[in-house]
Amino acid sequence: KAGVTQTPRYLIKTRGQQVTLSCSPISGHRSVSWYQQTPGQGLQFLFEYFSETQRNKGNFPGRFSGRQFSNSRSEMNVSTLELGDSALYLCASSLFLGQTNNEQFFGPGTRLTVL
Amino acid sequence: AQSVTQLDSQVPVFEEAPVELRCNYSSSVSVYLFWYVQYPNQGLQLLLKYLSGSTLVKGINGFEAEFNKSQTSFHLRKPSVHISDTAEYFCAVSGFGGGADGLTFGKGTHLIIQP
Repeated sequence: KAGVTQTPRYLIKTRGQQVTLSCSPISGHRSVSWYQQTPGQGLQFLFEYFSETQRNKGNFPGRFSGRQFSNSRSEMNVSTLELGDSALYLCASSLFLGQTNNEQFFGPGTRLTVL
Repeated sequence: AQSVTQLDSQVPVFEEAPVELRCNYSSSVSVYLFWYVQYPNQGLQLLLKYLSGSTLVKGINGFEAEFNKSQTSFHLRKPSVHISDTAEYFCAVSGFGGGADGLTFGKGTHLIIQP
């Protein structure tokens, strides 16, 4: 069974631009979560989607948004990029909603660099 | 809300020696606890998890962890490490019922295996 795939793996953007990252979950998984990983802040939860609806959200500004399609694939968008948005963005999929006894499988991440 | 503290940012250890990576958490509710490993340029992989029951949890690759409610700790141990265990290790917590915060991660511990 194929794992979680994220595209692209690497991105370079400039301040003020916007970016869209894509995540394809494991086949049959309906929940997709997004995390931001930086050296300073570590791993932080962005949001979780289930059945095309955002179910949970972390403490990030409105510039960070996402969506989920009927095939469970998810995209996240960051508008008006800032230097501090440079990070590894990880996507995780799971069968059901929720972060608890519902194992999440992580993708390799998209490395975003903002210049 | 929950928080996780990983007391050591780096742990050097010789090959075939035992290792313990420390994790303490704080939460106002009961929690589920996890350890993840991240190899260079890869996403996170679940090592083990504590949901309920026996406080000693065994995971993959010979790792185990012990949940200590009174000390709010969930330390990770391995009796004999190998070069291939060199990676970043993350402790994570989630409150019962999932919660809006997703998984809360510690800042990570870099395990360095010396030959």
